[in-house]
Amino acid sequence: EAGVAQSPRYKIIEKRQSVAFWCNPISGHATLYWYQQILGQGPKLLIQFQNNGVVDDSQLPKDRFSAERLKGVDSTLKIQPAKLEDSAVYLCASSLALGGSPLHFGNGTRLTVT
Amino acid sequence: GDSVTQMEGPVTLSEEAFLTINCTYTATGYPSLFWYVQYPGEGLQLLLKATKADDKGSNKGFEATYRKETTSFHLEKGSVQVSDSAVYFCALSSSAGANSKLTFGKGITLSVRP
Repeated sequence: EAGVAQSPRYKIIEKRQSVAFWCNPISGHATLYWYQQILGQGPKLLIQFQNNGVVDDSQLPKDRFSAERLKGVDSTLKIQPAKLEDSAVYLCASSLALGGSPLHFGNGTRLTVT
Repeated sequence: GDSVTQMEGPVTLSEEAFLTINCTYTATGYPSLFWYVQYPGEGLQLLLKATKADDKGSNKGFEATYRKETTSFHLEKGSVQVSDSAVYFCALSSSAGANSKLTFGKGITLSVRP
């Protein structure tokens, strides 16, 4: 089966600019996650969708980050405006359902904010 | 809140050496425990998991046993190979229902030399 697709692979922007990341989960996977992985740390959950509804966005900095999954398939994560501390790898993952299904991760988007 | 603590790295071993990577956790209830691996240039992959106390997860020669009494889930392999060089993340999921997000440790880099 095709894996989780993410784009772009790399992005370099200046602080205060905007950026968007795209994720296409594995076909049929209802649950989609966005994680932020800062260098030297483990991934941290930003937002979790079940179909097109938000299950958990408690750690999403909502003043600058937004995410949507309009048709319950693809998802976009946006940062506006970016700060230096947003430099990280942004990982998208999907799973078949809630409740213990294994997560399948994409290769991530590496964001550098200068 | 939930947390995962991994031993400090990096770890460098010679081929065929014995590997132990320590992982301890703090969680409410009865979490599921996971080891994920990230090979160079690739996304995170599930290596093994255990869902209840005394369960042993195993895959590709790696093993980890869920020890509730010591809140640990140490990863072991009897004879490492160069191809095992990667970053290893311990993780837990403390909710089997509507919010089954993963909490990750910081990860540890393993380098195996020929």
